[in-house]
Amino acid sequence: AQKITQTQPGMFVQEKEAVTLDCTYDTSDPSYGLFWYKQPSSGEMIFLIYQGSYDQQNATEGRYSLNFQKARKSANLVISASQLGDSAMYFCATVHSQKLVFGQGTRLTINP
Amino acid sequence: DSGVTQTPKHLITATGQRVTLRCSPRSGDLSVYWYQQSLDQGLQFLIQYYNGEERAKGNILERFSAQQFPDLHSELNLSSLELGDSALYFCASSLDARVEDEQYFGPGTRLTVT
Repeated sequence: AQKITQTQPGMFVQEKEAVTLDCTYDTSDPSYGLFWYKQPSSGEMIFLIYQGSYDQQNATEGRYSLNFQKARKSANLVISASQLGDSAMYFCATVHSQKLVFGQGTRLTINP
Repeated sequence: DSGVTQTPKHLITATGQRVTLRCSPRSGDLSVYWYQQSLDQGLQFLIQYYNGEERAKGNILERFSAQQFPDLHSELNLSSLELGDSALYFCASSLDARVEDEQYFGPGTRLTVT
């Protein structure tokens, strides 16, 4: 069964520091994709970044990058130069059997 | 603003009742997904419709049903409501049928069953 694990329930980081949010996955699918979503306190889910398992380069979108290590089955999200507005829940997800499967999330708090 | 709209924003109802949640996808998107987010279960996929047809099914209870209409809006019907159905219900849409395509989430409907 597909499984996504986010081991950090909460993280506290100083503003302007870089932060890494961990995500490991368990899959037997030969081809798969990893997603990261952000959920601010207002509740909406915001797509951040996507990495396909066959992509050669790590995905980047502005201050977000995905540290994809296939052998370790990890897809960590790196946020550079964190800002107060980055405080939110962050969810890692992957596709399994035609459905998006989410991890339990990490609550990130950026301190001024 | 993702372009996906959901109504109502909040809903409070009693156990045993039936409610309907409505979703309008982004203009041009053919797929609609429904998700449930609760404290104990996390964020779970319920069902996907593509161009009016059911495409994929997740952990959707038999008391729940959904449909997608010819104008592509979708409704999620929840019946015989229980306290445990209290959750945030999201609708998302994407251009095509592939789950790997970027999904745009609506603001959610917060359902409280008392």
